[in-house]
Amino acid sequence: AQSVAQPEDQVNVAEGNPLTVKCTYSVSGNPYLFWYVQYPNRGLQFLLKYITGDNLVKGSYGFEAEFNKSQTSFHLKKPSALVSDSALYFCAVRDMRGGSYIPTFGRGTSLIVHP
Amino acid sequence: EAGVAQSPRYKIIEKRQSVAFWCNPISGHATLYWYQQILGQGPKLLIQFQNNGVVDDSQLPKDRFSAERLKGVDSTLKIQPAKLEDSAVYLCASSSHSGGVTDTQYFGPGTRLTVL
Repeated sequence: AQSVAQPEDQVNVAEGNPLTVKCTYSVSGNPYLFWYVQYPNRGLQFLLKYITGDNLVKGSYGFEAEFNKSQTSFHLKKPSALVSDSALYFCAVRDMRGGSYIPTFGRGTSLIVHP
Repeated sequence: EAGVAQSPRYKIIEKRQSVAFWCNPISGHATLYWYQQILGQGPKLLIQFQNNGVVDDSQLPKDRFSAERLKGVDSTLKIQPAKLEDSAVYLCASSSHSGGVTDTQYFGPGTRLTVL
């Protein structure tokens, strides 16, 4: 069965510093990986996805993620954090089940960027 | 384009009562998803529709939860009867294609259910 782990409940970083939010996955087939962000009282918003190709994926709001097959990881990164990046971040994987690609989400990581 | 609409935004009920949530996906989106997000956890897929057919409902507690998408557009999710552990945010999402691996999901704001 597919699964996603986000080992950190919370990540704290100072504004202007680089940030990393970690995600590891387990799938039976090829990994199809996603990052979403959730602001308070709002629905999840898509940031980026890895399907195939270049291991470094660029997404919205200056975020990027690095796919590492040997470490089964898909960490989210940003070179310079903003206070407005403070939110809840979810990693997700889609795997084939019953003929369709079914999504599974991690438990989320709260990112807090300090001024 | 208009986003995914959900109503109500908040609902408080007592256990053993019934409740229904409504979702209107982005126009033209073939695939619709219902998720349950319990506080402190990630969204858990309850049911996935493609048009008006069910693609996956393996995690839907079918003894009390039901969902329909009769005309392949909007959808309702019902809980009957509700339990305390059903307290959660219920998210609806839609995507434009067949629910394939490259599909991007667009989420609604969610309905926060509190069961007393």
